[in-house]
Formats: sequence, C-alpha cells, structure tokens
Amino acid sequence: DAGVIQSPRHEVTEMGQEVTLRCKPISGHDYLFWYRQTMMRGLELLIYFNNNVPIDDSGMPEDRFSAKMPNASFSTLKIQPSEPRDSAVYFCASSPSRGGYTFGSGTRLTVV
Amino acid sequence: QQQVKQSPQSLIVQKGGISIINCAYENTAFDYFPWYQQFPGKGPALLIAIRPDVSEKKEGRFTISFNKSAKQFSLHIMDSQPGDSATYFCAASMGSNYQLIWGAGTKLIIKP
Repeated sequence: DAGVIQSPRHEVTEMGQEVTLRCKPISGHDYLFWYRQTMMRGLELLIYFNNNVPIDDSGMPEDRFSAKMPNASFSTLKIQPSEPRDSAVYFCASSPSRGGYTFGSGTRLTVV
Repeated sequence: QQQVKQSPQSLIVQKGGISIINCAYENTAFDYFPWYQQFPGKGPALLIAIRPDVSEKKEGRFTISFNKSAKQFSLHIMDSQPGDSATYFCAASMGSNYQLIWGAGTKLIIKP
C-alpha cells in the first residue's frame, strides 16, 4: 500500500483565494482525520469521518473551512477565503477500527 | 480532564544513553495510549502503543511503562542513537471514540 497520499505537498496562495487540500486514505481504513500543525498550537484535530460520514467537526476553526468525503478513497479540505493565519501544515490520517493512525506527509500551506 | 500533559518539551541525550519522556492524564476512561514519532517534513508515525491491562510493552529499543494508579505513562528509548532525533508525541483515546487526545510533543536531540 502506498500509504496516505496528500496533495499538494506545498501550496502558496494569496489571501482571499480558495485553497483545496486533497487526501487519499489507505484502502480499508474506515476513519479519516484532518489535522493542522503549527509551532504555537501543536497538532489540532479539525474534523474526522467514519465510513465517509463526518462525526466531529468541532475543531474546524470557522465557516471558512469545510471538508468532504464523497467516497471511501477521497477527501478534501477547503478553505475559502484563505487568510495568513491559516498558514500551517495540514495532515490527513486514516485508521482502521481499533488501530493506530497512519498520517500522510502533509501539505504545507502558506497564505501571503 | 481531556488533556494529556507531556514533559519535557525538549530533551538532549548523549548517544548510547537512555531517553525518557513522560505523559500524564486525568481521564480514567482512556484505554489506548500510543506514542508517535515525527521527523521534520513528515507526518507523525505510530511507534508503539499500550493498553492499561499491561504495565510495560517493549519493542526493540523502545519501551512504554504504564502506571495506572498514577495515571502516567512514559517512553524509554534505550541506547539512543542520532537517528532517534525527532519529535515524540504521546496520546490517549477511550473506547470506541478514536479521537486521540495529544500531548504537546517532545523534541529529542541525540548528540553523537
């Protein structure tokens, strides 16, 4: 298995633009998580899905953030409009039931 | 009560020494305690995990010690090597809720 695949690896965008981050989880994993990591706040859970259904989105910072999982092999995290304070590394992770997480390599987002 | 407190924030150990990172929790409903290792530019990777029915788990040079009465668990890295230099995160979760509660991380540097 290729692991959790995230794209793009790096994204630089201007304030106000829409940003879409993509994730392909490991086949057979029924949990998918979106995290944000910064030096100041560490790892923050934004949202997680079970069997493609959003379970807890209480970590999504505000309405500018949205996430979808249209099928078991694909998820997106969208920020619209983006702001400089959204600059961070965004990780997607997937997990089987009763198992550890496998993280992707992350997307480093810079909003200028 | 949902917090996991991790210490120290950073740690420098000589090659060949023992690295020890500690975590404490409050919620006695937690029943899964993993440790993750993160290298720069990579996502966290599951290193080792323990459940509260055992007091110790060893995998190679890595050992988790678990003290249920004290609500503490720790990671010991024996014969620490420069390749172990990374950030280590402890975490906890409970039951069928797979949302991990993360420690703040420990940056470990092994000096040659």
